[in-house]
Amino acid sequence: AQKVTQAQTEISVVEKEDVTLDCVYETRDTTYYLFWYKQPPSGELVFLIRRNSFDEQNEISGRYSWNFQKSTSSFNFTITASQVVDSAVYFCALSENSNSGYALNFGKGTSLLVTP
Amino acid sequence: NAGVTQTPKFQVLKTGQSMTLQCAQDMNHEYMSWYRQDPGMGLRLIHYSVGAGITDQGEVPNGYNVSRSTTEDFPLRLLSAAPSQTSVYFCASRPLGGAQTNYGYTFGSGTRLTVV
Repeated sequence: AQKVTQAQTEISVVEKEDVTLDCVYETRDTTYYLFWYKQPPSGELVFLIRRNSFDEQNEISGRYSWNFQKSTSSFNFTITASQVVDSAVYFCALSENSNSGYALNFGKGTSLLVTP
Repeated sequence: NAGVTQTPKFQVLKTGQSMTLQCAQDMNHEYMSWYRQDPGMGLRLIHYSVGAGITDQGEVPNGYNVSRSTTEDFPLRLLSAAPSQTSVYFCASRPLGGAQTNYGYTFGSGTRLTVV
């Protein structure tokens, strides 16, 4: 069963639009960690954020913000005023003790295209 | 520079050939893991290790072998390559402990493998 669901396969926006990438996860652990990674066309994986299950505070980093809601098992990612350089594949991932020693369980990714 | 080094970056194999993908880290991380990335599938865990001499299977271990003789190295072996193993392979490491505090995965830059 898919533990991390990123329902949006592809999103296309025009520069300066806001865009939200959805992530829904499934776990029975009380302690777990959620991540977002960015994979630009060059292929490397870029760490964006880690959030633990005990911290539901939303976080903002520049144009990026994250909304963690345990009640809906969601960890959504919003890019404000998108830029062409934001074009990439974005992965949400879950890390839980019951899975291979906190291995990362990735969603299938959302491909974001930002056009000028 | 400190980090995770993967070699080679690109490789083409013929069906039935064997090869080893190398992964080395210089951060004294106990936990190391191998993922494969296929289009539309996200990243899936192949094998992982929590320390020298200890390895275990992930989600998609068939066709791959690993060993961990040192803390630094975690090679991935394909004994008889098949076209289904055409993929991008990522190695990742992290400290074993401190899961309740800050820890993060460091990813290598990936190996793009084509089996013809």
